[in-house]
Amino acid sequence: DVKVTQSSRYLVKRTGEKVFLECVQDMDHENMFWYRQDPGLGLRLIYFSYDVKMKEKGDIPEGYSVSREKKERFSLILESASTNQTSMYLCASLGAANTGELFFGEGSRLTVL
Amino acid sequence: EDQVTQSPEALRLQEGESSSLNCSYTVSGLRGLFWYRQDPGKGPEFLFTLYSAGEEKEKERLKATLTKKESFLHITAPKPEDSATYLCAVQGDTGGFKTIFGAGTRLFVKA
Repeated sequence: DVKVTQSSRYLVKRTGEKVFLECVQDMDHENMFWYRQDPGLGLRLIYFSYDVKMKEKGDIPEGYSVSREKKERFSLILESASTNQTSMYLCASLGAANTGELFFGEGSRLTVL
Repeated sequence: EDQVTQSPEALRLQEGESSSLNCSYTVSGLRGLFWYRQDPGKGPEFLFTLYSAGEEKEKERLKATLTKKESFLHITAPKPEDSATYLCAVQGDTGGFKTIFGAGTRLFVKA
């Protein structure tokens, strides 16, 4: 069965802390994505990666960076967390390109105090 | 810029009361339009992909249709277990496989 695993379901951090959100997929997918989801705004794309060590900015990359050292793992990094980064973060990987289906993890709810 | 707008924001139905959700989109060359279902506290789950105007897909009580500007998700005789947020998304033919989502419609079905 297809699986995308996000390492932390709930995190509470303080302003200025560095935050790592980890995502692992077991499907050998090339494309992986990080979104944040906020009420009324839907899912907004932060970064995506189409291959190891490759990354592309999404619509809201400011304040975030990513790392893709291995095909199965895509990490989202908040260099200095701020309160406006309190959100639900969702990782996804892309299945067969001709269906466009994204497989999502369960999400990581981050609170920045 | 690719854009997706969903309406209504929320929809309350009685069990058995059929209705439709709307998704309006603008995209530079549609590669695919997608519908997902999201339950509270979980990640979205894929429902359908539509590729071209006139196409329809069905799954149980759900039917998705596509025109050049809109997609509809028709829900026939809904049950309480259909309560969820339904998300619409598009991929254009530029920008790799970048997928843009709408804000979703929260559906509540009362028994």
